[in-house]
Amino acid sequence: GAVVSQHPSRVICKSGTSVKIECRSLDFQATTMFWYRQFPKQSLMLMATSNEGSKATYEQGVEKDKFLINHASLTLSTLTVTSAHPEDSSFYICSAYSSPGTGGNYGYTFGSGTRLTVV
Amino acid sequence: TQLLKQSPQFLSIQEGENLTVYCNSSSVFSSLQWYRQEPGEGPVLLVTVVTGGEVKKLKRLTFQFGDARKDSSLHITAAQPGDTGLYLCAGAGNYGQNFVFGPGTRLSVLP
Repeated sequence: GAVVSQHPSRVICKSGTSVKIECRSLDFQATTMFWYRQFPKQSLMLMATSNEGSKATYEQGVEKDKFLINHASLTLSTLTVTSAHPEDSSFYICSAYSSPGTGGNYGYTFGSGTRLTVV
Repeated sequence: TQLLKQSPQFLSIQEGENLTVYCNSSSVFSSLQWYRQEPGEGPVLLVTVVTGGEVKKLKRLTFQFGDARKDSSLHITAAQPGDTGLYLCAGAGNYGQNFVFGPGTRLSVLP
């Protein structure tokens, strides 16, 4: 079945530094990936849609200059949290959409998430 | 804007009991998915329903999509502690919009 690998699973960084999170589709091609943010005991909030070879589409209220998204290949999207602050601490989850014929199960598959703590 | 509501928000039951959680919207969805998420992990897809009135069974879990494709239910029979988790429904719009998640139902099954 479709597998999405997200790395790192946990990261602690100092305030003001940048952190990069990777999302890889391991056995299928994903032209579209999604980045979510989840606060404790809450549901997932879509941050942006990552499109291979083009600019990401950000949801309202999400700062594109702070959350940089790059989708350079059909199997990799990255989210970089720039100049991180404690309020950026959260659980970030990516998902990839596999359409029929791309090698994966049809539908959305999620990564295991990245717990970011900014101190 | 498509909004999904889920009820109940929290549910704590004893092992062996049955339960139903609901997912409702005023919007029509082309498909709806149910996920289960454990702490510190990403959501895991349980089922996708696409046809109004559709019923799918996955062992002790029964999923139903409403006739009008605006709502769905998840029924668990003889719940087990391993069923504990956050259950999320997510729907995709008729015109290919990104799908949206409901707020989730946090289930706790006590041994």
